[in-house]
Amino acid sequence: KAGVTQTPRYLIKTRGQQVTLSCSPISGHRSVSWYQQTPGQGLQFLFEYFSETQRNKGNFPGRFSGRQFSNSRSEMNVSTLELGDSALYLCASSTGQGTNEKLFFGSGTQLSVL
Amino acid sequence: KNEVEQSPQNLTAQEGEFITINCSYSVGISALHWLQQHPGGGIVSLFMLSSGKKKHGRLIATINIQEKHSSLHITASHPRDSAVYICATGIIQGAQKLVFGQGTRLTINP
Repeated sequence: KAGVTQTPRYLIKTRGQQVTLSCSPISGHRSVSWYQQTPGQGLQFLFEYFSETQRNKGNFPGRFSGRQFSNSRSEMNVSTLELGDSALYLCASSTGQGTNEKLFFGSGTQLSVL
Repeated sequence: KNEVEQSPQNLTAQEGEFITINCSYSVGISALHWLQQHPGGGIVSLFMLSSGKKKHGRLIATINIQEKHSSLHITASHPRDSAVYICATGIIQGAQKLVFGQGTRLTINP
């Protein structure tokens, strides 16, 4: 069974640009969650999608948005990039139907904003 | 607001030693996750606990709901166990909105 796939692996952008990251979950998983990891703040929850609907959202500005498609693949978008958006962005998937479930993480997208 | 505190932040030990990493949280939770992150960024979920104790190979995770505390133990540690270990709490059942600890960097020397 293929794992969680994130693309691209590395990305370099300049301030003011926008970026779209992709996450393909494990087959059969309907929940995809996104996280930001920085040296200063550590790991922080961005949002979670289940069956094409945003189910939970973290404390990030509106420049951070996401969506989920009918095949459960998810994208996150960051508009008007700032230097502080440089981070490792991770997604994780699960069936989303259990009371508590282990998460399966992708390898992440390393975003550098110059 | 739920705070998650891990200790120690850094831990260096010799191969074969028994390792304990602690995690304390401040509000009631639905589940606690222990994660392992190797250099390069990939994260592996080791355990998901809502009560009691779980064991997988040389790894043991325990949780005390009343004391809001969890521990991760590694027996007979090995250099390949060197990684960052992160605990994370979930406060909404069925959802993945996690609050993370700052991580414990473990180095096992041969």
